Amino acid sequence: GQQVMQIPQYQHVQEGEDFTTYCNSSTTLSNIQWYKQRPGGHPVFLIQLVKSGEVKKQKRLTFQFGEAKKNSSLHITATQTTDVGTYFCAGVYNTNAGKSTFGDGTTLTVKP
Amino acid sequence: ETGVTQSPTHLIKTRGQQVTLRCSSQSGHNTVSWYQQALGQGPQFIFQYYREEENGRGNFPPRFSGLQFPNYSSELNVNALELNDSALYLCASRSGLDGETQYFGPGTRLLVL
Repeated sequence: GQQVMQIPQYQHVQEGEDFTTYCNSSTTLSNIQWYKQRPGGHPVFLIQLVKSGEVKKQKRLTFQFGEAKKNSSLHITATQTTDVGTYFCAGVYNTNAGKSTFGDGTTLTVKP
Repeated sequence: ETGVTQSPTHLIKTRGQQVTLRCSSQSGHNTVSWYQQALGQGPQFIFQYYREEENGRGNFPPRFSGLQFPNYSSELNVNALELNDSALYLCASRSGLDGETQYFGPGTRLLVL
């Protein structure tokens, strides 16, 4: 079946260090979305990538979609304590079917 | 705040009981999806409703059912509760089937004893 794998499961960094989480799908995606969930909170939409090879930036966050539309990454430059949380990718295989297949997330902790 | 609300916030039930969870979508959003999030895992898609019709379903048994009302609020019903139904239940609304941004509610935390 359609699966989305995310690595690493946990990442501990010193404030100011960079952070990257990777997302891989077993089959080609229609698009991919990224979410952030703070402890005790709910997922908050960050961005959607649609095109092969697409790169989008939001301040210190850089999102990439692979050429084959089967993998994606989120890179945070110079982490801050406010970046703490779990980052999820969610793959969409059929836009109209509504089903988003989430990875199990990467939990980021930042040591001040 | 996303404008999506859910009730109740917490709920305790016993095995075999039935539960109804409610979601009020963001204004103007006619598409709602429901997810189950077990501890330490990503949300799992249960089903989606678009203009009061089910439009897409994940790998959940028929005892998970839903409704969407003309005002686009929705319900998730779970019959014959099992212990492993204990989870955070999230609804998410968006504008149209191809709406890019999905807005999640705060969730209902269900504990089945």
